[in-house]
Amino acid sequence: DTEVTQTPKHLVMGMTNKKSLKCEQHMGHRAMYWYKQKAKKPPELMFVYSYEKLSINESVPSRFSPECPNSSLLNLHLHALQPEDSALYLCASSQDLLAGGPSGELFFGEGSRLTVL
Amino acid sequence: GENVEQHPSTLSVQEGDSAVIKCTYSDSASNYFPWYKQELGKRPQLIIDIRSNVGEKKDQRIAVTLNKTAKHFSLHITETQPEDSAVYLCAAPDSGGGADGLTFGKGTHLIIQP
Repeated sequence: DTEVTQTPKHLVMGMTNKKSLKCEQHMGHRAMYWYKQKAKKPPELMFVYSYEKLSINESVPSRFSPECPNSSLLNLHLHALQPEDSALYLCASSQDLLAGGPSGELFFGEGSRLTVL
Repeated sequence: GENVEQHPSTLSVQEGDSAVIKCTYSDSASNYFPWYKQELGKRPQLIIDIRSNVGEKKDQRIAVTLNKTAKHFSLHITETQPEDSAVYLCAAPDSGGGADGLTFGKGTHLIIQP
């Protein structure tokens, strides 16, 4: 199984809603990532979990809250989002982390397309 | 943190011709340089990568070259085919901002003209 599975595929939410994005992998990978991708832009790193320990991109607003319940699951909790947060949210995993980055290939999920009204 | 510059932003070539996309990076400590292909509406997928102890790597019609002194690496696609049309993203490791991951270039939209 070389799949990273993300749910939901599409999500529409209001600015006062609380919702969560979910990601799952069963490749035994120890590093998992959240990326944000706006239209015609590259993916931007938001969060990294390595052995269930979090490292944060300090520019990400606190209205995004990640959670790693176990080594196979990754959640992104969303609260009080703004319309400019509308984007494709990509989850990815890699076998491990070396100093400064992944040990090899990132396997991406298909993404959750979020629209904030 | 790492800064990755990618050129050109759009590249149009005739089917069967070669395409070259270039990236530069800023952190001399970076040691891993992957290339991802992202088709419209799909996820990025790794097509080739290179580590800093190697100057060139080839896989069928695609190759990547690395010049550590100049801090740049390039993707070469030969005998281009319609299915090569996509956005190509270069990347380098980055622990800037506190998170260890990949920083991507802005992408090159490759168009293969029939």
